[in-house]
Amino acid sequence: LQLQESGPGLVKPSETLSLTCTVSGDSISRSNYFWGWIRKPPGRGLEWIGTISYSGSTYYNPSLKSRVTMSVDTSKNQFSLRLSSVTAADTAVYYCARPLAGSPRDAFDVWGQGTMVTVSS
Amino acid sequence: QSVLTQPPSASGTPGQRVTISCSGSSSNIGSNTVNWYQQLPGSTPKLLVYNDNQRPSGVPDRFSGSQSGTSASLAIGGLQSEDEADYFCAAWDASLNGVLFGGGTKLTVL
Repeated sequence: LQLQESGPGLVKPSETLSLTCTVSGDSISRSNYFWGWIRKPPGRGLEWIGTISYSGSTYYNPSLKSRVTMSVDTSKNQFSLRLSSVTAADTAVYYCARPLAGSPRDAFDVWGQGTMVTVSS
Repeated sequence: QSVLTQPPSASGTPGQRVTISCSGSSSNIGSNTVNWYQQLPGSTPKLLVYNDNQRPSGVPDRFSGSQSGTSASLAIGGLQSEDEADYFCAAWDASLNGVLFGGGTKLTVL
């Protein structure tokens, strides 16, 4: 199983950050899998953004919930992240990842390589 | 406020045993299992320990996890220079209904 993030590396303040994670080596629509997004701002620790099931059930970080939307596209074997009204504080390396087993509570055992997103005008 | 607290730094010499702590509360470590991640410089986070004390395939048994009450620990035995990395604990938090990460511990091998 491999995950690969894609999307713009530069986003203007107040605009919407959009990233896609392409899943290869397995089907995203397996009923026991969830899919997640985590980010790491420069010089800071990891921050969980949210987790989504193949059927669209979502769990979002309460601190980001009002700005986050996650979705799954089973036809493309992809899942996506949208973060609206971005500021410089959203500058980070964004990772997509998969929890180990069939629960959003599980450890993330497969990670994408990460993509750097900078918020700047 | 839900927080997992780790020391910002730790160090040891080659061959030593080092322990990194992770302190939480009843809503996270006290009621859910703890996972540990290693992030080498410039690399993607790697799952090191899951469900408090289980190692994924390929992780050396020098790495071990434990949990007691609302705290957890990661022990690294026979420290090697390649262990120099950032280490993060994580757990599900019932109050957040989501995943909580610790702030991370930077391990230096002297």
